[in-house]
Amino acid sequence: QVQLVESGGGVVQPGRSLRLSCAASGFIFSNSGMHWVRQAPGKGLEWVAVISYDGSNKYYADSVKGRFTISRDNSKNTLYLQMNSLRAEDTAVYYCAKEGGAEYCSRTSCSADYWGQGTLVTVSS
Amino acid sequence: EIVMTQSPATLSVSPGERATLSCRASQSVRSNLAWYQQKPGQAPRLLIYGASTRATGIPARFSGSGSGTEFTLTISSLQSEDFAVYYCQQYNNFPLTFGGGTKVEIK
Repeated sequence: QVQLVESGGGVVQPGRSLRLSCAASGFIFSNSGMHWVRQAPGKGLEWVAVISYDGSNKYYADSVKGRFTISRDNSKNTLYLQMNSLRAEDTAVYYCAKEGGAEYCSRTSCSADYWGQGTLVTVSS
Repeated sequence: EIVMTQSPATLSVSPGERATLSCRASQSVRSNLAWYQQKPGQAPRLLIYGASTRATGIPARFSGSGSGTEFTLTISSLQSEDFAVYYCQQYNNFPLTFGGGTKVEIK
């Protein structure tokens, strides 16, 4: 069965960096695009970034562009999110999510058929 | 950026009744619309993709309709496990965007 397990969250001071990881299993990781989505406490969902199956294409929300970097290591079945210059408004639970197959997709992107349980990032002094 | 607007924000429904949730896009997203369910303390779960196709394992009481800018999620007969927050998401254009959510609560 598909499993996505996020790690790396914690409390960090404003301006500092943090790297999140998402360990994937139960599917062919190197065949799937992957997303990061976040949710601030008590708020709705916000899409953060996506990376294509081979890492060649990446897109970001404007709110994180230039500060966050999505990457993947297909040899380790792991997705990453490097977060730099963190701000209080980046405080959220961060979810990784797997893209569905072709039928789940537009010409641009795809809906996410499996999600991890999330890791909490708190940016506070 | 495409703005997704969900209504109502909260829907009070009795078990066994029908629930109708709406989602409007600020510009056409064709049929590239997904619905997710989220329960407290849990990750979102995909219910519907392509505006009307149920995801794997989703009961038939969930149905989606619409295209372009107007979409609907219908739960035909609410079960206790269906009380949750529901989000729509467009994946037609970057940035991908979610609606603000509709909370379905017990009346």
